[in-house]
Amino acid sequence: SQTIHQWPATLVQPVGSPLSLECTVEGTSNPNLYWYRQAAGRGLQLLFYSVGIGQISSEVPQNLSASRPQDRQFILSSKKLLLSDSGFYLCAQHRDAANYGYTFGSGTRLTVV
Amino acid sequence: KNQVEQSPQSLIILEGKNCTLQCNYTVSPFSNLRWYKQDTGRGPVSLTIMTFSENTKSNGRYTATLDADTKQSSLHITASQLSDSASYICVVSGGAGSYQLTFGKGTKLSVIP
Repeated sequence: SQTIHQWPATLVQPVGSPLSLECTVEGTSNPNLYWYRQAAGRGLQLLFYSVGIGQISSEVPQNLSASRPQDRQFILSSKKLLLSDSGFYLCAQHRDAANYGYTFGSGTRLTVV
Repeated sequence: KNQVEQSPQSLIILEGKNCTLQCNYTVSPFSNLRWYKQDTGRGPVSLTIMTFSENTKSNGRYTATLDADTKQSSLHITASQLSDSASYICVVSGGAGSYQLTFGKGTKLSVIP
């Protein structure tokens, strides 16, 4: 079965510091990978998606970037965090449309102070 | 514009009672509709997935219905338990690409003893 590992679970970082959140997938190959941000009282906002190694699409302009160095690895980064980057970040994977499977990681609570 | 509206925004029920959560959507073209349960501080977990040809789908005490004509779905929880306290998110797949998901903001359910 497909499993998503996301870490760390919680993170407190000062403004201006760099960020690296990692997501890895097991039990599947060539998945579509996604980064979402969830703010309190709001729905999930799609930040980035990737359909393959090195292929990144950004949904919203922001202070963050994403990379996919390996087939089952998806990284969310920032060179300098802003207070507004605080939130709950979720990684998700989708193997194929016919399967309809779409699973989420356990999330990372980022607090920028 | 693709939208998913959920109601109520929040709900408090007594343990053992039933409840029904609503989801209306305007996503077109429609592919499938999913209900997720999200515990606080955790990633969403899939409860049901329905395509346009499916009217109802059950997962234990959770039963989802879909009316593709009126673009409405409901999630019925039977004999609620304290562990059902969570946010329930309606997600509709479709739109411009198979990866496009539109998320509702969720219904926060609290089950009290």
